[in-house]
Amino acid sequence: QQQVKQSPQSLIVQKGGIPIINCAYENTAFDYFPWYQQFPGKGPALLIAIRPDVSEKKEGRFTISFNKSAKQFSLHIMDSQPGDSATYFCAAGAGQAGTALIFGKGTTLSVSS
Amino acid sequence: GAVVSQHPSRVICKSGTSVKIECRSLDFQATTMFWYRQFPKQSLMLMATSNEGSKATYEQGVEKDKFLINHASLTLSTLTVTSAHPEDSSFYICSASPGYNEKLFFGSGTQLSVL
Repeated sequence: QQQVKQSPQSLIVQKGGIPIINCAYENTAFDYFPWYQQFPGKGPALLIAIRPDVSEKKEGRFTISFNKSAKQFSLHIMDSQPGDSATYFCAAGAGQAGTALIFGKGTTLSVSS
Repeated sequence: GAVVSQHPSRVICKSGTSVKIECRSLDFQATTMFWYRQFPKQSLMLMATSNEGSKATYEQGVEKDKFLINHASLTLSTLTVTSAHPEDSSFYICSASPGYNEKLFFGSGTQLSVL
């Protein structure tokens, strides 16, 4: 119940493409869903996050789509660039300050120029 | 965003020695900090929750006597890997929340290599 399932494991797109990464969860107590970007040898950086009261959130080229009934959420990266090549993690938490996050297994994205 | 500083970024030690990793919240106070462990090309696994002024809470399977956590102030938590062995080699990452919202910010990580 604590798992967050993420797919695909890896993804290759051409510059300008729109990679989509999907995540699913079981625990209905989760109500905070962030996405993190991680470069090799660095800690994860918060990209964008969503709560279940909205179905979509956009920040720059990053968009989260959320389907509460299906317990699924996804990250879309518009106009992808080679600099977006990184590992992306979805996560879920109880949404309260001071609570830990449970992470998906990660998706390695490669954007070719 | 809030800044979490982690030091050192890389450490190489001999088997049997102890290694201390520091995690500081630079521009906010953190009542709670979290320690994660990450193996190459794998996800982040929560090791323990560090609470200021009290004992840490460890996840199932994490040896509390091997991974000592001290959260002595609202801006500093330390993880000490005691009597390190090669299987402890990993990327350790701390995280903290400003406390007024749910956002969690991560340090830059520490790559531990035990020879």
